[in-house]
Amino acid sequence: GAGVSQSPRYKVAKRGQDVALRCDPISGHVSLFWYQQALGQGPEFLTYFQNEAQLDKSGLPSDRFFAERPEGSVSTLKIQRTQQEDSAVYLCASSPKFPGQGKNTEAFFGQGTRLTVV
Amino acid sequence: DQQVKQNSPSLSVQEGRISILNCDYTNSMFDYFLWYKKYPAEGPTFLISISSIKDKNEDGRFTVFLNKSAKHLSLHIVPSQPGDSAVYFCAASLKYTGNQFYFGTGTSLTVIP
Repeated sequence: GAGVSQSPRYKVAKRGQDVALRCDPISGHVSLFWYQQALGQGPEFLTYFQNEAQLDKSGLPSDRFFAERPEGSVSTLKIQRTQQEDSAVYLCASSPKFPGQGKNTEAFFGQGTRLTVV
Repeated sequence: DQQVKQNSPSLSVQEGRISILNCDYTNSMFDYFLWYKKYPAEGPTFLISISSIKDKNEDGRFTVFLNKSAKHLSLHIVPSQPGDSAVYFCAASLKYTGNQFYFGTGTSLTVIP
């Protein structure tokens, strides 16, 4: 597709359940980001990949959160033993460049996955 | 610690008039700024950006102004149209060392026909 695609669009999980959220970035984009957006807030950074390398995971709120991008394209964000505070929209974004590669560029966001933990 | 702030949660403007959305930041190392627009149930869509070496960038009805000394930027939409009604997020990044965008909390713009 032409844009960033995320699946599922909506996910309801029982507390304690593990979930996996998928992101298909724009083809050829080097950089991939995951953000968490709580209700009424702006997106907050979770983690960053440059190709398959996870260069920054400083925003992951706990060790229950894990992200991977094994082949440098599709990425999966996994949340283990979900808690109610994990309820949020999880946004994936990709960019054709990476930091330090000269001119800045914007990131292109997917529609997000709305996770509700009950 | 919110490094990018949008202090107006909402704004209403009459169609045809100017909309001015404001954003303040605290980190003087930010040197690239963006505005994103978000409709309900959709992801943020890039609108316009500005590098710190400029103080103004214009794209059609949208103009972003940057005042580095005040650590303030604003988005002007003129003339405003009902289709502009959305939540607008201001974001900032560090050019060579940053690998993330820092977002404000958003301003919900309503353009009244």
